[in-house]
Parts: sequence; structure tokens; C-alpha cells
Amino acid sequence: NAGVTQTPKFQVLKTGQSMTLQCAQDMNHEYMSWYRQDPGMGLRLIHYSVGAGITDQGEVPNGYNVSRSTTEDFPLRLLSAAPSQTSVYFCASSPRGTGDDEQFFGPGTRLTVL
Amino acid sequence: GDSVTQMEGPVTLSEEAFLTINCTYTATGYPSLFWYVQYPGEGLQLLLKATKADDKGSNKGFEATYRKETTSFHLEKGSVQVSDSAVYFCALSQNYGGSQGNLIFGKGTKLSVKP
Repeated sequence: NAGVTQTPKFQVLKTGQSMTLQCAQDMNHEYMSWYRQDPGMGLRLIHYSVGAGITDQGEVPNGYNVSRSTTEDFPLRLLSAAPSQTSVYFCASSPRGTGDDEQFFGPGTRLTVL
Repeated sequence: GDSVTQMEGPVTLSEEAFLTINCTYTATGYPSLFWYVQYPGEGLQLLLKATKADDKGSNKGFEATYRKETTSFHLEKGSVQVSDSAVYFCALSQNYGGSQGNLIFGKGTKLSVKP
């Protein structure tokens, strides 16, 4: 199993550009999520999905879109990048999305918006 | 809303020293509690968890006990190694309701262990 994979590892964007961060998992997990990690802030939830076709907003959803057309993939779209979106982005998945589930994290995407 | 507070870092220890990283939480009901660890340049991985009051999670010599009366989940290790150098995150997740499964993290504590 590859686990949770993310691409790209690094990305530099200019303000106003759009892009998609890819996330895939091969563990047949129902629950997937996106977090951003900022210095001194810990990780904050952006969007999550409890199954294919179902998505919902987390704590900091503004400026981001998601979709979940398959169990395996959960892309995160930046519609019009802003410097405030400079961050490290982590995708995670868990088997059922229950409170006691272990979440498995990808290696992260470091995004810089100029 | 629910929240997690953990001690500020960085923490610097000598090898074989005793480690405590304090974590307290505010939450309704009875959430599950977690410690995740992030090694340099990597994603987070689960270190240990506890899902109900008085449970003790343990892994790789680390321990934490779910204390409902003090709303705490402090991480301890009796003898740290250089390889334990990492950032440690305390987190909680509700077991019921629409937000179950969503993790709420503390800000993280960076640990450096010197030989």
C-alpha cells in the first residue's frame, strides 16, 4: 500500500492563479480531509468528506473547493490564490470517520503564494 | 467550541531525560484524545490514543492517560532519545454528531533531544 499520496510536494503561485492539490489513498478509507499547517497555529481543518459524493466545510474553508467523485481521490482547489494561503497542506484519511479512528496523513504540499 | 491547549515549545532535553508535554482540552461530552508526532519533513503519524476516561495510551515508551476530572492528556516518556526529536501535537475528536472524526489540534510542541 502506498497509503496517502499528495502531489505536488512544492508549488509556487502568483496571486490570483488557480491550482489543484491532489490527494489519493489506496486503503479504501471512507473519510478524507484537508488541513493546513501554519507556524504557531497547529493544523486547521479546511474541508472533509465522509464518503464519495459527500463533502463539508471545516474551520477554514474560504478560498478552497473540494469534490469527492471516487473513494480514492480528494482534490483541493484554490480558486484565486492569495498570499494568506501560503502554508503547508496535509491530506488525511481514516477508515470510517468515527471519533476514535486513527487518521493517516500524506507527506504534505508546501505552497507559496507570491 | 472545542479546543486543545498544549505547552509552548520549544523543549530541549538531554538524552535519557524525563519528558512531559502538558495538554488540556475543552470539549462537550467525551471526545477521543490523541497524540500525533511529526518528524522533520514528514506528515503526521499517530503516536497513541485514548478513547474514554481513565484509559492509558502507550507506544514506543510514550504514555498518556485520559483524565476527565482535569480535562488533561499529558504526554510522558521516562528516557528520551535523540530520535524522539520531533513536533508533538495533542488532538481531540468528538465521537458523536456531525463533526465526529474531525481532529482539533493543539499548536504543537517542538522537542529537541541533545546527545
